Formats: sequence, C-alpha cells, structure tokens
Amino acid sequence: AQSVTQLDSQVPVFEEAPVELRCNYSSSVSVYLFWYVQYPNQGLQLLLKYLSGSTLVKGINGFEAEFNKSQTSFHLRKPSVHISDTAEYFCAVSEYGFGNEKLTFGTGTRLTIIP
Amino acid sequence: SQTIHQWPATLVQPVGSPLSLECTVEGTSNPNLYWYRQAAGRGLQLLFYSVGIGQISSEVPQNLSASRPQDRQFILSSKKLLLSDSGFYLCAWSGPGQGAAYSYEQYFGPGTRLTVT
Repeated sequence: AQSVTQLDSQVPVFEEAPVELRCNYSSSVSVYLFWYVQYPNQGLQLLLKYLSGSTLVKGINGFEAEFNKSQTSFHLRKPSVHISDTAEYFCAVSEYGFGNEKLTFGTGTRLTIIP
Repeated sequence: SQTIHQWPATLVQPVGSPLSLECTVEGTSNPNLYWYRQAAGRGLQLLFYSVGIGQISSEVPQNLSASRPQDRQFILSSKKLLLSDSGFYLCAWSGPGQGAAYSYEQYFGPGTRLTVT
C-alpha cells in the first residue's frame, strides 16, 4: 500500500527567503505525485503534479518540485516566499492503473511566513 | 470548464440528529467522486469514493453513508450524528473533462464545516 510522509508539520520562514517542504512516499508500483495548497477554511487547490517526463515540475505561484525516484521524494520549493504563501501544503500520491485513482495524502505542512 | 459545488458551507447540528451534505459537479461526465474528512490539525481522511451511479466504496467503517443518485451528484449522510463527526468535509472529483485528455488529479470543492454539539 502507498503512503506519504511529510517530515515537517510546521515551517516558519522569513518573507523573501527560500523554502523547501519535504515529502517522501512509499509504493511498490509506479506513482503519480501531487502538491496541494489549502488556505484557511477553503478547499484544496492543485499546485503542481508529476505524471511522467521531466523530473522538475513547475506549478502555480512560483512553486516547483523535483521527483527523485531513487530517494522516493518529491520536495516542494520556492526561491522567495511572500506573505500570501501562508497556508497548509499537502503532498499526495496515486498508484496509477487501477481506474479509481485514489489519492493518499500526507498529514500536511503548515507554512508560516514571517514579515 | 468544470466546477464543483458543496452545500451547506457551514452546519451546526446536535448529537443524534441526521445529516445530509450535497456535492455536485458541472462540466464533466462520469467523474470519480470522493468524500474526505479533515479533522482539526490533521490531514485528509478518505471516507467514500464512487466510480459511477450507485457504486459506492467505503474506506472507513463509521456511522456515515454515501449515495450517488445521479452521475454528478454525491451525497454524504448520517442517521445520527456523533460528536466525533465534527470536522471539515471536502468533496472532490477526478476524471476526464469534456474534450480533454484524462486527468489524474482530484479537484476539490470549497468544503462544509460541520460542528456537532
């Protein structure tokens, strides 16, 4: 069965500093990987996804993530954060090929930007 | 384009009362539909998913149930609410959009905040 580990539950970062949110997954088959963002009292919004091809994927709001198969990781990065990036971030994995494409989510990382 | 609606946005219900949360999707056909619960300070727990009308799979045994009476309608119900049912309920869909290649990601609705008192 697939699983996702987000190693940091909370990450405080100063405004305009870089940030990396870590995500590791476990699966016995090939996977699709996703990062979602959730602002307070809202649903989840897709930031970016890795399905195949280039291991460096770029998403919305200046975020990018790199798929590393050997390390089973999919870390999210942004070179310079803004106050508006304050939110909760979820990594998710899907084992493709089964028709229903269930997602398994990590427990989330709360990113707090310090002015 | 596709949109997903959930209602109500917030709900306060006493213990033992019934529950009905509704989710509808527009702009797609035969989507996969999902219900998640997010407890305070915790991640997302998949409750139910459906790959077609009348086809419901339960992920977690509990006093909740789900139904899919129409292709793009997904309902979450309970006959008697418990305090532990409080949380933020999210509906999501995945599947092909009209005229688009298959998409594997899930798209989420705005959520319903349920408080059981």
